[in-house]
This record gives sequence, C-alpha cells and structure tokens, in this order.
Amino acid sequence: NAGVTQTPKFQVLKTGQSMTLQCAQDMNHEYMSWYRQDPGMGLRLIHYSVGAGITDQGEVPNGYNVSRSTTEDFPLRLLSAAPSQTSVYFCASSPAEPQETQYFGPGTRLLVL
Amino acid sequence: AQSVTQPDIHITVSEGASLELRCNYSYGATPYLFWYVQSPGQGLQLLLKYFSGDTLVQGIKGFEAEFKRSQSSFNLRKPSVHWSDAAEYFCAVGAGPGYSTLTFGKGTMLLVSP
Repeated sequence: NAGVTQTPKFQVLKTGQSMTLQCAQDMNHEYMSWYRQDPGMGLRLIHYSVGAGITDQGEVPNGYNVSRSTTEDFPLRLLSAAPSQTSVYFCASSPAEPQETQYFGPGTRLLVL
Repeated sequence: AQSVTQPDIHITVSEGASLELRCNYSYGATPYLFWYVQSPGQGLQLLLKYFSGDTLVQGIKGFEAEFKRSQSSFNLRKPSVHWSDAAEYFCAVGAGPGYSTLTFGKGTMLLVSP
C-alpha cells in the first residue's frame, strides 16, 4: 500500500491563480480530511468527508473547495489564491471506526506571492 | 466545542533527563486522545493513542502518556530523552461525526541540549 499520497510536494502561486492539491489513499478509508499547518497555530481543519459524495466544512474553510466523487480521492481546490493561504497542507484518512488512527500524507508546501 | 491546550510553546531538556509535555483538553463526551510528533520538514507520526481502558498508555520510541479525566489532561512522558527526540509534539482529540477528524493543540517544540 502507498498509504496517503499528496501532490505536488511544493508549489508557488501568484495571487489570484487557482490550483488543485491532490490527495489519494489506497486503504479504502471512508474518512478523509484536509488540514493546514501554520507556525504557532498547530493543524487546523479545512474540510472533511465521511464518505464518497459527502463533504463538510471544518474550522477554516474560506477560500477552499472540496469534492469526493470516489472513496480514494479527495482534492482540495483553491479558486483564487491569496498570500494568507501560504501554508503546509496535510491530507489524512482513516477507517470509519472511532478508535482507528488517522493516517497523514507527507504534505504540500504552498507559497502564494 | 472541543479544544486542546498545550501550555508550553518551547521546552528545553538535557539529553538523558526526563520529559513531560502537558496537554489539556475540553470535550463533552468520552475523549479519544492522541500524541503526534513532527520532525523538521517532515510529516506527522503517531506516538500513541488513548480510547478506553488503562489510563497509562505506552507508545513508540519509549514514550508513554497518562489520561486523567479529573484533570482533563493527557500528558506525554519519557524517562530519558535522546537528542533524536528534538521535534515538535502535537496533542489532539478526536472530533467531528464519528470522530472523523482531529482537533489539535498548537504544539510544543522540544529542544534537547547536550
């Protein structure tokens, strides 16, 4: 199993550009989430999904869209990038059991100029 | 709403000394608690987790944590710190429908002095 994969690893955008951060998992996990990590802020939840076709907002959803058309993929879209979205983005997945561990991807480092 | 507080932003410990990192949580129901570690420029690695049962849980790399419901705490401990333990440590509580997400503390950076 590859686990949770994220692409790209690093990206530079100009303000106003759009892009999609890819996240895929091959463990057939129902739950998937996106977090952003900023210095001194820990990880904050952006959006999450409890299954294909079901998504919901987390703590910091503004400026981001998600969709979940398959169990495996959970892309995060930035429609119009802003410097405030400069961050490290982590995708995570877990089975639909409360005691199960969340598995994190390696992260995508995004710089918005 | 659930929350996690890690009171110490930075901690410096001498190599070979003992370590305790503090974590306090706020959660209305039974908390599912986690400790993750992140080395510089790396992803997150799970150290240990607590769901129920024995309140002292053992993890990887010689770490342990104790759940104290009366104090709403889940402190991480290690009897003897190694230089390779220098990293940032995050406490988290399971949240969301079906505990599908995590709420993290802001992290504690551990520095190890020779």
